[in-house]
Formats: sequence, structure tokens, C-alpha cells
Amino acid sequence: KNEVEQSPQNLTAQEGEFITINCSYSVGISALHWLQQHPGGGIVSLFMLSSGKKKHGRLIATINIQEKHSSLHITASHPRDSAVYICAVSDPGTYKYIFGTGTRLKVLA
Amino acid sequence: DAGITQSPRHKVTETGTPVTLRCHQTENHRYMYWYRQDPGHGLRLIHYSYGVKDTDKGEVSDGYSVSRSKTEDFLLTLESATSSQTSVYFCAISRQGTDEQYFGPGTRLTVT
Repeated sequence: KNEVEQSPQNLTAQEGEFITINCSYSVGISALHWLQQHPGGGIVSLFMLSSGKKKHGRLIATINIQEKHSSLHITASHPRDSAVYICAVSDPGTYKYIFGTGTRLKVLA
Repeated sequence: DAGITQSPRHKVTETGTPVTLRCHQTENHRYMYWYRQDPGHGLRLIHYSYGVKDTDKGEVSDGYSVSRSKTEDFLLTLESATSSQTSVYFCAISRQGTDEQYFGPGTRLTVT
């Protein structure tokens, strides 16, 4: 069983929809990270969370440390949001990242 | 965007040949990482560096070596490339181990 699990693996939405991507982890962490990777593109850090909630534009990330769960929400989705979204956690001793396998999002116009 | 470049961006090579990938940063960050990304596995750490001449192994280090003789450059070498090393390789940097990592654009390597 992977230490970081994401769901769903694939998601197709219509433009304007509210989107939620989930991440569960089974290890202790120092922080949780949400990353974005566009097709053929590089990887961009969206959020680094150790508690609570963060918002940047139409993106919102939350974390529940007790339940070992995080969600990434996209409000008013747009085709340019189409990308792979990757959840990663930092090991509290080494700070190395442990990655989920990603959620592939496609937003249709 | 963090100043990270990778070279080459694409490479096709034959089994058994040596290959060196370069990661260059202009941010003077202390930590540098090499990952590979494969379908179904996500990103996996190959090696990382926490300073000049200070490196350590990641979870998939077999068949790879690294060197860091300057703060700005981190080299990944496949001594004798195998088809299982066909992958997309990403370099990342962070100011401290506790900080966010910033990723380079990636190198697509094909071993035939």
C-alpha cells in the first residue's frame, strides 16, 4: 500500500464546476504539498501546508492532521486548470518528499 | 520562477552507454535533488545533495551516481544505461531541507 494515496486518479469536469481532489497519507509528516504538472510541462508547487487551510486565487487546500487527509479544491474550474495534481508529504526526520501518483484533471469547455 | 535549468532536455541513447544529466541553479540553494517520474510510480528520489560534495542516496539509487563540485551544479550519471532507466528526470532545489522544493523543467531520457 502506498504511503500517499490520491483520489480520484482521473477526473473530467465541465468548465465552471467545483472540483475536489483528495489525498490520504499513512505516515507522520512535517508538511503536505500540492503540486501541479501541465502536460509535457514542469512541476509547480501550489501549496505547502502543516495545518488548517490556504487559499490562492481559485485554489483552496485544506489539511486535517488527525485524520491524515488533505483536499485540494478548485472553484469555477477552467480548461487551463487541466493538469496532473500531485500530493506529496515531507518526512519529519529527513524532510524528503513522498509522492502520490497524481490525479489527472481534464476540464472541458 | 526559481532559476533552475536542466540539460539536455531530451536524449536518446543506447543500452550500455554512459549518460550525464546536468542540473544548474542560480538561486544559491543548499539542497538539490534528482527524481525520476514513471507512469504508475509517481516521482521517486534517486539522490540528493545537502551541500558541495555532500550527497546521499534516495529510494531508487541503484545504477546512478551523482556529483556536486559547485553549489550551482548537480550532475546525475548513468554509468551504463539500461532500458529500465528510460524515464523523465526532474531536478529540484530547496533553500533548506524543510523548505518547499522548486522543480526544473525535466529531461526525457530514452534508452534503446
